[in-house]
Amino acid sequence: KQEVTQIPAALSVPEGENLVLNCSFTDSAIYNLQWFRQDPGKGLTSLLLIQSSQREQTSGRLNASLDKSSGRSTLYIAASQPGDSATYLCAVRPRGTGFQKLVFGTGTRLLVSP
Amino acid sequence: EPEVTQTPSHQVTQMGQEVILRCVPISNHLYFYWYRQILGQKVEFLVSFYNNEISEKSEIFDDQFSVERPDGSNFTLKIRSTKLEDSAMYFCASSSGTTGTEAFFGQGTRLTVV
Repeated sequence: KQEVTQIPAALSVPEGENLVLNCSFTDSAIYNLQWFRQDPGKGLTSLLLIQSSQREQTSGRLNASLDKSSGRSTLYIAASQPGDSATYLCAVRPRGTGFQKLVFGTGTRLLVSP
Repeated sequence: EPEVTQTPSHQVTQMGQEVILRCVPISNHLYFYWYRQILGQKVEFLVSFYNNEISEKSEIFDDQFSVERPDGSNFTLKIRSTKLEDSAMYFCASSSGTTGTEAFFGQGTRLTVV
């Protein structure tokens, strides 16, 4: 059964810092991995989708990497801003039966202070 | 930009009552999903729906739950007899395909069962 873990659970940084959020998954048989942002009491905003054949994807100040064989992904946020404060979730789409669902991690709660 | 919309944003219901949560997926998408997030816990998959039938469901999605696409635009989740433990944020999502495509989520419906 696929398990997704995110470390750290919470992170507090001053504005301007570069930071890395980590996501690990137990089964490397995945189709893709997706990073989301969740603001308190709100929905999930898709940030980046990485296919299993890709190593990284970039969108603006965000860069996500994927090392499928080791079961890891990182989300790098450059020059963090207070508006980046949110919970960041990673989710994998497993191969085989159950391929239609996303399996989510517990999230990293990020606070960027001015 | 196309988005998934959900109504209502918050619903309070008495234990034992039936509730229907509504979603309008992105118009050209073919795959529809419901997820839920109990406060402080992971986002969990409930069900996926394609071509007017359930294509996959989790152990959570028991006989108390049902989904329907009553017309060309709406996608609904019905809970027949709500329990206190059904209190959660319910997210609708849609995608244009399955394994390789990005899932887009709505803002969620917060269901409170009292």
